[in-house]
Amino acid sequence: AQTVTQSQPEMSVQEAETVTLSCTYDTSESNYYLFWYKQPPSRQMILVIRQEAYKQQNATENRFSVNFQKAAKSFSLKISDSQLGDTAMYFCAFMINNDMRFGAGTRLTVKP
Amino acid sequence: DAGITQSPRHKVTETGTPVTLRCHQTENHRYMYWYRQDPGHGLRLIHYSYGVKDTDKGEVSDGYSVSRSKTEDFLLTLESATSSQTSVYFCATMMSRADEQYFGPGTRLTVT
Repeated sequence: AQTVTQSQPEMSVQEAETVTLSCTYDTSESNYYLFWYKQPPSRQMILVIRQEAYKQQNATENRFSVNFQKAAKSFSLKISDSQLGDTAMYFCAFMINNDMRFGAGTRLTVKP
Repeated sequence: DAGITQSPRHKVTETGTPVTLRCHQTENHRYMYWYRQDPGHGLRLIHYSYGVKDTDKGEVSDGYSVSRSKTEDFLLTLESATSSQTSVYFCATMMSRADEQYFGPGTRLTVT
């Protein structure tokens, strides 16, 4: 079965600090793509970062970076210098052959 | 932002009635997806399309059918709605394989 597990249902962080959201996945495939999406209270889904499984280099997008450990099937998201606007649900996901699977999400609250 | 609209945005219907949700895009993206979002489950893929008249099942396809007669429209039909299909439904489009997905605003469906 192809599954995505986010073990932290809720997290909080102080503004300007760093937080890491965990994600593990299970698949027997070797070629896939990994994503983190953000869903703020507006309910709009927004791509945060994307990683190709065949690339060893970890993806980064401004304050967002990932720690991709393929052997461990782990794909964590680090948010640096947290801002109030980062408050949202964060979903880890992977895509294999056009089939997309999401985790249950982590609700992140950034406190002033 | 990709031009993705969903209609209706809200719907209340009775058990046993047919329901059709529409997703319309103006981006000429090849791929279109239907998801449902429920608390504790994140987003789960119902069906997707990889071209006009080309569709495939997702993780939770039972009780749902889809059609795509033209690039810009992807319809999701509940032949006989049940209370377990009460959910928020999201449509998404993708330009090419494993690219970023762009999401619509969602449709809240309540089956009484």
